[in-house]
Amino acid sequence: GENVEQHPSTLSVQEGDSAVIKCTYSDSASNYFPWYKQELGKGPQLIIDIRSNVGEKKDQRIAVTLNKTAKHFSLHITETQPEDSAVYFCAASRGSARQLTFGSGTQLTVLP
Amino acid sequence: DGGITQSPKYLFRKEGQNVTLSCEQNLNHDAMYWYRQDPGQGLRLIYYSQIVNDFQKGDIAEGYSVSREKKESFPLTVTSAQKNPTAFYLCASSRGPYNEQFFGPGTRLTVL
Repeated sequence: GENVEQHPSTLSVQEGDSAVIKCTYSDSASNYFPWYKQELGKGPQLIIDIRSNVGEKKDQRIAVTLNKTAKHFSLHITETQPEDSAVYFCAASRGSARQLTFGSGTQLTVLP
Repeated sequence: DGGITQSPKYLFRKEGQNVTLSCEQNLNHDAMYWYRQDPGQGLRLIYYSQIVNDFQKGDIAEGYSVSREKKESFPLTVTSAQKNPTAFYLCASSRGPYNEQFFGPGTRLTVL
């Protein structure tokens, strides 16, 4: 089955700096890679996703890159703000939500 | 407001007792899911349902049971057969198996 590894487990950055979280996956058939943000005491919320037919996707301060050859994908947050502090999860799937495999999460702390 | 509700937010039970966690959605979604979240780990799929009166086991279904009698509701029962039931439980729904998942706020179950 699919295995998703996520690094780092914790990340602290100064407000305004960039943050990068990386994930690797094992199943070359995976073609859908979502990223979720989970605030304390809440359920995860989808913030961006990418499919295997594109290498990069941006949405304002958030971007995701995908390297299919190396089987890794990354989340980039620019100009970080305190409200970006949360746990971020990556996931990989062959397409359906039923097949999502999640990474172990990254606790991002943005220091004012 | 459309969304997913889970109740209660915190639940305490004695060892050996069955307990049922509630999940209701008013998004008119066909698919619903239950995940378990443990500290330092990603979400793991317990059960999912693609349509009313149908559900399938996920990766860690042992010790759990579900029902899907109504489109809006997908309750999860944690039975006494679940060896380590203390965890954070998340319910999610999606329009279909290939659509974005929306998560509820979660229920934290503690078995004493």
